[in-house]
Amino acid sequence: GAVVSQHPSRVICKSGTSVKIECRSLDFQATTMFWYRQFPKQSLMLMATSNEGSKATYEQGVEKDKFLINHASLTLSTLTVTSAHPEDSSFYICSARQDGAAGQPQHFGDGTRLSIL
Amino acid sequence: AQSVTQLGSHVSVSEGALVLLRCNYSSSVPPYLFWYVQYPNQGLQLLLKYTTGATLVKGINGFEAEFKKSETSFHLTKPSAHMSDAAEYFCAVSPFTGGGNKLTFGTGTQLKVEL
Repeated sequence: GAVVSQHPSRVICKSGTSVKIECRSLDFQATTMFWYRQFPKQSLMLMATSNEGSKATYEQGVEKDKFLINHASLTLSTLTVTSAHPEDSSFYICSARQDGAAGQPQHFGDGTRLSIL
Repeated sequence: AQSVTQLGSHVSVSEGALVLLRCNYSSSVPPYLFWYVQYPNQGLQLLLKYTTGATLVKGINGFEAEFKKSETSFHLTKPSAHMSDAAEYFCAVSPFTGGGNKLTFGTGTQLKVEL
């Protein structure tokens, strides 16, 4: 149980393109999902908290207009990197926290490798 | 604010040897504690978690961790390393109250298993 599916796994596109990444919780409901960015050989950096039915909460320094987040249902959150540039190339990972008791862990997708040419 | 320190960015053990990955946290109130494993080009997989109750928690793949409040530690161990254990391991904490259920990660420990 507690499977999170992230799609696509890899994207290569030209500079200026907008890229949408999907994160789905397959067998549980997730009011809250999270989007991370990971640079090579580093830990995960939280970008934003995605809340079903309301606006996402962005971490300091993350551009809201650059990284658009939509959480339209209890099982789906999307991250759109708008007008992507080479510096946006990175490994993006989503997670979903199962609704319920405190202390529930986050379950992670397999990540999306984004390469902007 | 809470923080996580993982001592040793790289740990190397022989196959069959004990694995010990260290994690210390800083928090005004004992948080929820997690260990995750990451294989190359993949997301994170939950190994185990501590919320309340028994301080020695067992996880998947033969791993276990012990919560020691007096030492503010949550070290990860496995009695006998296997080649398939080679991966990046992250310790993480989540606040007991508030904080929006956010995870704070350590910087990670790369485990290498040698023949």
